[in-house]
Amino acid sequence: EIVLTQSPGTLSLSPGERATLSCRASQSITSSYLAWYQQTPGQAPRLLIYAASSRATGIPDRFSGSGSGTDFTLTISRLEPEDFAVYFCQHYVSSSWTFGQGTKVEVK
Amino acid sequence: QVQLQESGPGLVKPSETLSLTCTVSGASINKYYWSWIRQPPGKDLEWIGHIYYTGSTDYNPSLQSRLSISVDTSKTQFSLQLSSVTAADTAVYYCARFMSHYYGMDVWGRGTTVTVSS
Repeated sequence: EIVLTQSPGTLSLSPGERATLSCRASQSITSSYLAWYQQTPGQAPRLLIYAASSRATGIPDRFSGSGSGTDFTLTISRLEPEDFAVYFCQHYVSSSWTFGQGTKVEVK
Repeated sequence: QVQLQESGPGLVKPSETLSLTCTVSGASINKYYWSWIRQPPGKDLEWIGHIYYTGSTDYNPSLQSRLSISVDTSKTQFSLQLSSVTAADTAVYYCARFMSHYYGMDVWGRGTTVTVSS
């Protein structure tokens, strides 16, 4: 079973700052099946990035994804007020989906 | 605009069967996979299972013995049944869709809270 570990657990930043979120897999995974989601309280998760680096429809270009093998990164270039949320990575392998435990981006 | 809406009882007794339905509006149910995901209080998201519009299913191995997912293309709905529930099944349950594993889950419902308690 592949485990996705996200770090840090909480990221305290100010609007306008850059956020770098990590998702590490317990073994090498296919980047084609790595996605990132944003979740705000009381809302459904929103797809941000698929295939590790492709932005989903309507996602601003301040969001970018990168990585391969076991290490993947979500970068928010300049935090807007609406970006303070929880972010999850997700991977698909062998007919199953796995989620990371999430990183909370909070206002410093 | 595609929308998914979960519905079902908010309270289920231990040992009974949890039944939820996800209604799809604004899009055909064809050519997509339809998923159930849950999030227990204070815990991570957990994939429950999914069904292709043809009826083919994949289930989380940890839930497979208690789980059934079905689809009704005529009603543009898909459903979840989880039997022999315990307090550990208390969670927010989400439905979502994906076209292929490459594109991620692009549309989600807002979730419905299910509590297992006597």
